[in-house]
Amino acid sequence: QVHLEESGPGLVKPSETLSLTCSVSAPFSMSTSPYYWAWIRQPAGKGLEWIGHIYKDGRTDYNPSVRSRATVSLNMSKKQFSLEVRSVTAADTAMYYCAKVVWAYCNVTGCFGDDAFDVWGPGTMVTVS
Amino acid sequence: QSALTQPASVAGSPGQSVTISCTGSSSDIGSYDYVSWYQHHTGKAPKLVIYDVSNRPTGVPDRFSGSKSGNTASLTISGLQPEDEAVYYCSSHTTGGTPVFGTGAKVTVL
Repeated sequence: QVHLEESGPGLVKPSETLSLTCSVSAPFSMSTSPYYWAWIRQPAGKGLEWIGHIYKDGRTDYNPSVRSRATVSLNMSKKQFSLEVRSVTAADTAMYYCAKVVWAYCNVTGCFGDDAFDVWGPGTMVTVS
Repeated sequence: QSALTQPASVAGSPGQSVTISCTGSSSDIGSYDYVSWYQHHTGKAPKLVIYDVSNRPTGVPDRFSGSKSGNTASLTISGLQPEDEAVYYCSSHTTGGTPVFGTGAKVTVL
């Protein structure tokens, strides 16, 4: 069974960088797992927004709304993946979740997956102020 | 990447059925059978209840069912239970290669 847990500062100043880590507890190695590891956020009173994801080979993709400011990275030896969002504003205040998809794979022609998030962390609130 | 459109709220009495629609376009729902649905109770993480249009993860009651026609997907909850009261979000893969969520629908059990 897979468990995810987010960690990081709950308060970030405007124009600074938001940094979060997701710790993965799983009965398999991240280096062989056919999944995207993703970040999703929810501003208060609003809906869910996919931020981005990373595959085991390091390939990433991002929501166009944050592509220029966000980086998702992977540390398989620590069983963690991370999110950085630079130059934050109040609009980045949200509950941040890490999650994994049901399946995904990447090959030389591209990446494919069903984008269904079956495991979520409990979430961590980040306030920009 | 515009959010998929859901009704703001849906209501039903215990034991009744409710259906939540999720309207997209030919760039998302209309092009892929990768529609998923999430149940979100306040203060908890969202929970996957349907994936790949109509598949239920292990442990999800069979009163939850999904379908798709054209650019619109639907989630039906049959035999509505008090614990089904939550916000439900749909999601779809898009031609951009990334997912998009719906606006969310609040299900109220009367």
